[in-house]
Amino acid sequence: GQQLNQSPQSMFIQEGEDVSMNCTSSSIFNTWLWYKQDPGEGPVLLIALYKAGELTSNGRLTAQFGITRKDSFLNISASIPSDVGIYFCAGANSGNTPLVFGKGTRLSVIA
Amino acid sequence: DSGVTQTPKHLITATGQRVTLRCSPRSGDLSVYWYQQSLDQGLQFLIQYYNGEERAKGNILERFSAQQFPDLHSELNLSSLELGDSALYFCASSKDPSSYNSPLHFGNGTRLTVT
Repeated sequence: GQQLNQSPQSMFIQEGEDVSMNCTSSSIFNTWLWYKQDPGEGPVLLIALYKAGELTSNGRLTAQFGITRKDSFLNISASIPSDVGIYFCAGANSGNTPLVFGKGTRLSVIA
Repeated sequence: DSGVTQTPKHLITATGQRVTLRCSPRSGDLSVYWYQQSLDQGLQFLIQYYNGEERAKGNILERFSAQQFPDLHSELNLSSLELGDSALYFCASSKDPSSYNSPLHFGNGTRLTVT
């Protein structure tokens, strides 16, 4: 089945630093999504990307849908303590196929 | 608040037992998905329902089953429980699964502990 490789697995950064994480696949996707999971809660949608090459921002978050359709990245600028959590990428080919999730990037922010 | 409601929040039971997890989707969403999240694992897709009918099946064990009722709520039944079934079980919903710009919204999960 399709798999998403998400990196890095974990990151420790200083408050105020910028963060970058990415997701790659051996096959193409028509949709890339980025979710964040806080401890004890379900994943929350951060950004959805629907077109190859698309660059979308949500506050301090920016994500891009790779031109090849096989990758996506998420950047967080000027990190703050509440950015702590696990960030998941997810891909889909059509609404009739379930989302495929990466294994997540665990972000820790040191104040 | 995603609008997806899952009950119970926590469940502790013994091996060999059977449990039922419940999910109410967001208002207006017709599709329900179940995912399993084990320690150090990502979200593993189990099964999807759309308007009462099974739409897609993932890595769901034969000991597990699910259904979606006419009021669109869904139940995931786990039977003959084993220690390895301990995990977080998430339900998600979406409006129209045939449209890929209808993203999933997740509930806060049920944490199942099998002892």
